[in-house]
Amino acid sequence: AQKITQTQPGMFVQEKEAVTLDCTYDTSDPSYGLFWYKQPSSGEMIFLIYQGSYDQQNATEGRYSLNFQKARKSANLVISASQLGDSAMYFCAMREVNNAGNMLTFGGGTRLMVKP
Amino acid sequence: EPEVTQTPSHQVTQMGQEVILRCVPISNHLYFYWYRQILGQKVEFLVSFYNNEISEKSEIFDDQFSVERPDGSNFTLKIRSTKLEDSAMYFCASRIGGTVLNQPQHFGDGTRLSIL
Repeated sequence: AQKITQTQPGMFVQEKEAVTLDCTYDTSDPSYGLFWYKQPSSGEMIFLIYQGSYDQQNATEGRYSLNFQKARKSANLVISASQLGDSAMYFCAMREVNNAGNMLTFGGGTRLMVKP
Repeated sequence: EPEVTQTPSHQVTQMGQEVILRCVPISNHLYFYWYRQILGQKVEFLVSFYNNEISEKSEIFDDQFSVERPDGSNFTLKIRSTKLEDSAMYFCASRIGGTVLNQPQHFGDGTRLSIL
């Protein structure tokens, strides 16, 4: 079974509007962390935001926020006031406390395209 | 801001040849990782490294792969006899340390490996 599922392979958003990128996850660990990364066309991976499984509040980081619904096992990324530079691939990833290597498991990504 | 540095940015190699991908993690980081991303696909974990030994490896990381930290700064991935299917973007990542979940992994810009 997929541990991280991103159901939207591609999305369009109008510049200055908000957009939500979906992420659902599957784990039996009680403690885990969820990360979002941005990958522009140049290829690098840029860390955006983190949400911990025990965090009481949704994470926010500038124009990025997480809509974390633990019971539904979802951690959707919300980008407010989209900019042209937000056009990129976005990956949701999870780190489980019980995985010895502390590695990240990634979803398949969502390609976001911002229209002027 | 300190960053993870990878060299070369692009490597073209004949099938069957050995290749070494190099990474300089952030200097006070203790955990190191290699991931790969086949074109158009998700990022896949290869190996994690801590305290001078492999802490976890994936099924992809077979005996054709090895990692080494030859000195206090470099972290290398060697592929002994490359195959066409090794063509991918290879990312090095590092993390500061500890079991706290909220520490993100910081990624390098990647090495694009092309096997001919």
